[in-house]
Amino acid sequence: DSGVTQTPKHLITATGQRVTLRCSPRSGDLSVYWYQQSLDQGLQFLIQYYNGEERAKGNILERFSAQQFPDLHSELNLSSLELGDSALYFCASSVTGNYGYTFGSGTRLTVV
Amino acid sequence: EDQVTQSPEALRLQEGESSSLNCSYTVSGLRGLFWYRQDPGKGPEFLFTLYSAGEEKEKERLKATLTKKESFLHITAPKPEDSATYLCAVPIGSNYKLTFGKGTLLTVNP
Repeated sequence: DSGVTQTPKHLITATGQRVTLRCSPRSGDLSVYWYQQSLDQGLQFLIQYYNGEERAKGNILERFSAQQFPDLHSELNLSSLELGDSALYFCASSVTGNYGYTFGSGTRLTVV
Repeated sequence: EDQVTQSPEALRLQEGESSSLNCSYTVSGLRGLFWYRQDPGKGPEFLFTLYSAGEEKEKERLKATLTKKESFLHITAPKPEDSATYLCAVPIGSNYKLTFGKGTLLTVNP
């Protein structure tokens, strides 16, 4: 157990639907990062939050959004889902100024 | 453009057959290079951080080295349990976000 908890582990949904992925960071970590991993693209950075504030954005689609709550857990919302959104979604956390991310075990999203 | 490139894409070894994985980067002002191991369907697991050219880190059968243009992950006398995808990453831009290479899939046959 890495200390970063992601739920659910698996999600199967239909095109056009909306889903929410949840992440609880490791105790004491203020930064949360979301990554998407597909077979052809590898790990792609989506967005970073630090202590509730958005700090950096990657190539995140407008249909995707995220937030970090006062208790530091984070949610990634994916809407108007398309087949191409099927992927593994990882959350990682780190302490301030510490590059050593700790990853969760991921959520496998399948859009049918 | 800042980039991270890993080679080979896949490597198949016999148990005990040592080899090296490569990670080349083009980043101005390197602020560290990170190696991760990823097992199928699981999240990447942190292995090493290297910060300056000439630095080396070791863990069991793995040794990571860093030059000004690339890093190597040397695997000595690998075992089947070393089979995994090995990822390298560097911070690019601000706010500590890591950019990952596409990884090397290592398979060690008994």
